[in-house]
Amino acid sequence: GNSVTQMEGPVTLSEEAFLTINCTYTATGYPSLFWYVQYPGEGLQLLLKATKADDKGSNKGFEATYRKETTSFHLEKGSVQVSDSAVYFCALSDRENDKIIFGKGTRLHILP
Amino acid sequence: KAGVTQTPRYLIKTRGQQVTLSCSPISGHRSVSWYQQTPGQGLQFLFEYFSETQRNKGNFPGRFSGRQFSNSRSEMNVSTLELGDSALYLCASSHRQGNTGELFFGEGSRLTVL
Repeated sequence: GNSVTQMEGPVTLSEEAFLTINCTYTATGYPSLFWYVQYPGEGLQLLLKATKADDKGSNKGFEATYRKETTSFHLEKGSVQVSDSAVYFCALSDRENDKIIFGKGTRLHILP
Repeated sequence: KAGVTQTPRYLIKTRGQQVTLSCSPISGHRSVSWYQQTPGQGLQFLFEYFSETQRNKGNFPGRFSGRQFSNSRSEMNVSTLELGDSALYLCASSHRQGNTGELFFGEGSRLTVL
């Protein structure tokens, strides 16, 4: 079945460091891919998305490219801030079962 | 416009009791989905409702049920609570039928079962 695998956390970085959170997926067909972020005490919110191969989603300095050949959608940011501390979820649209499947989440800590 | 509202935000129950959680979607959104979030399992899909009909259901026992009203508000119920039901229950709404688009999440209802 369709699934999402993302790197386990927590990931701890210093402010202004480069961030990569790996995400790979298994899916039939051509799913849309998403990154959601959950700040402490809040629900999830969409960070960025890509709907087809080679699309790049970007928002708030974060970006991710839909790589069909490697079935990946890694999240990157060039210079993280303390305010980026949150849990990040990679997700895909499971068109076969008509639902969105989430990875287990990666907790990110940014130290000042 | 107002976001997704979930009530109550926190609640404590004991084993064997039942609980009802409420979700008010963003105005105009007709699809409401429910997820269970736990540290070990991450986000797991419970069910989705669209126009008062359950369209999709995850792999949860029959103790977990839900419904949607004509104003798109949704409730989920868990009967005969078990310790393992302790979790953050998240509701998400969207204006598209089926979970293929952007989801807007509430802040969740944190259930503790003692």
